[in-house]
Amino acid sequence: GAGVSQSPSNKVTEKGKDVELRCDPISGHTALYWYRQSLGQGLEFLIYFQGNSAPDKSGLPSDRFSAERTGGSVSTLTIQRTQQEDSAVYLCASSLGHQKGWGNQPQHFGDGTRLSIL
Amino acid sequence: TQLLEQSPQFLSIQEGENLTVYCNSSSVFSSLQWYRQEPGEGPVLLVTVVTGGEVKKLKRLTFQFGDARKDSSLHITAAQPGDTGLYLCAGGDNYGQNFVFGPGTRLSVLP
Repeated sequence: GAGVSQSPSNKVTEKGKDVELRCDPISGHTALYWYRQSLGQGLEFLIYFQGNSAPDKSGLPSDRFSAERTGGSVSTLTIQRTQQEDSAVYLCASSLGHQKGWGNQPQHFGDGTRLSIL
Repeated sequence: TQLLEQSPQFLSIQEGENLTVYCNSSSVFSSLQWYRQEPGEGPVLLVTVVTGGEVKKLKRLTFQFGDARKDSSLHITAAQPGDTGLYLCAGGDNYGQNFVFGPGTRLSVLP
């Protein structure tokens, strides 16, 4: 399909382990976003990539969280030394990105990775 | 930092009833978007409003952007169980530097 793809769809791991979450954005979308959604809550912004610009990391909750975007396409969100409070659904979205009035561009979301820390 | 508030937080109604949910801020937004999220899925865009006072209709859903571009409302006529979900508003500022989501309204339409 042509939508945003996230993998794995579910991840269960032990506290203290590292995890990597993957996002394949829609082809041609230059902007990519990561969000976290706790059970029954709204979306918490984590990080934003736009083209070759330095990413906006202002939403990352701690230095255990990092993200990369290789070749302007696929992105990986890494959580090191996971804690139980990291349990949540991690959503990725892509959009046509930065241009005048970019805030008008719709974000296309994947179905998320449900992360459970035991 | 711009913030969006949504009300009510939860809403449970019977099929066939009408409802309105609200998205408010003290800040001006260049545009506001409404998304609906169903369990186990990512949010899906319903509409974008960009002009103060703008009204857009999507079947039984009516969206309005406030004149001052600080608030928006979503009205659903004759709600159906398929309307059940989390309704999120999201907005960006005039400079495209910030984009924030509200906390959402969780709607349950009972048959």
